[in-house]
Formats: sequence, C-alpha cells, structure tokens
Amino acid sequence: GENVGLHLPTLSVQEGDNSIINCAYSNSASDYFIWYKQESGKGPQFIIDIRSNMDKRQGQRVTVLLNKTVKHLSLQIAATQPGDSAVYFCAETLLSGTYKYIFGTGTRLKVLA
Amino acid sequence: GAVVSQHPSWVICKSGTSVKIECRSLDFQATTMFWYRQFPKQSLMLMATSNEGSKATYEQGVEKDKFLINHASLTLSTLTVTSAHPEDSSFYICSATATGKETQYFGPGTRLLVL
Repeated sequence: GENVGLHLPTLSVQEGDNSIINCAYSNSASDYFIWYKQESGKGPQFIIDIRSNMDKRQGQRVTVLLNKTVKHLSLQIAATQPGDSAVYFCAETLLSGTYKYIFGTGTRLKVLA
Repeated sequence: GAVVSQHPSWVICKSGTSVKIECRSLDFQATTMFWYRQFPKQSLMLMATSNEGSKATYEQGVEKDKFLINHASLTLSTLTVTSAHPEDSSFYICSATATGKETQYFGPGTRLLVL
C-alpha cells in the first residue's frame, strides 16, 4: 500500500548546500499537493503546498516543483541548515473529494555539519 | 495561526483499559478532523475522518467499535481506544482542516504504550 515503508530513504547533505527531496505521487487526478516536515516524536508540520494549475511555488528557502506529466513532486531547500534535519512527507489529495490525503513513504534528511 | 493541540502527549496504560485522546483546533473552527496512526519509520496511516455532528468514516480494516471517535464541536474531536492491548501501542496523530479549506494542520501526536 502507499503508506507502507520499512526503510526510509535518506538524503545526506552538507550544511549550506541545497537539498532536493523527490516524491512520486499515485493519482493522476490529484490536484492539491502538500509537503510536511516531521521531527522525531512530533506531528507533521506544514511547509508548502501547490495546486495542479501551477508547476512551481516558492516560500521562504523552499520551492516546490510539480510535474504532472510524470506525476512527480519535489521540494527544494536552499542553504540547508541543521534544523532542517527531519523526515519529509509529500501528500496528495483531490479537492473535489473528501480531502483525504495520500501520503508518500517519506524521506529522511540528514544535514552534515 | 492553524494550531492543533492533542492531549495527552503520552500515555501508559494497562491492557484492557480504555484511553481517550483529545484533539483541539485552537484558533480556527474545524468541520473535519482526521485521525492517523504511525508506526516507527513509517508514513501516516489514516484511521478515520471525523466530521462535526455526524458519524466518523473509518478506513478499511479499522474497527469502529475499538476506536471510538466523537466530534461534538467545531474545535474538539476525541479518539477513544477501547480495551487497549499491546498491539495498539503506537503514535496517534490528529489533523484538522478549517471549514471550507483543504490544508490539514496536524497536532503534536500522542504516544500510547499499552503494557
């Protein structure tokens, strides 16, 4: 199922470098996508979202790119800091439905000093 | 804005007892709240969708008589794990969406340990 993941993929980056976290989503009809950051022992924290009528959206130090052709979502973090170390989840949903989210398996980001 | 709280943050109980977890939206009204369960190193698994004033909708495989959900107001939903057993030990997280909005904001989670 889409929520099963025995091994979290890990991305290790040097402090100050840019990070790119990727996500392949499952439903070609999904039209709203969100990135969350989850630190150990805490609930997911909203980072940025994007609707399907856009292919790029920027926030503070973060950019989300959406490629609907290949059902791919990415999160770019500029000048990665130690505080960015966490697990990052993408989520997708259909705005015309019940707003139930389908979550990706997650990626662990490790920032090396 | 968009702050969601959960109480308690952690709970240890004996097998066979019931545990109630509260989820509150602090600065917005939430018509819909969601309850998730998360195992270590895994993603979030949706258990049920809770709508204010109506019965919750449970995901396939989730026992509604075991995980009782009540959403009596626009700012409070509760999850009661009835007759808890060690296999119910997990991290339970709620989320809430403001009325008419699509973004889910998550609570800090409740860690349940059943002995």
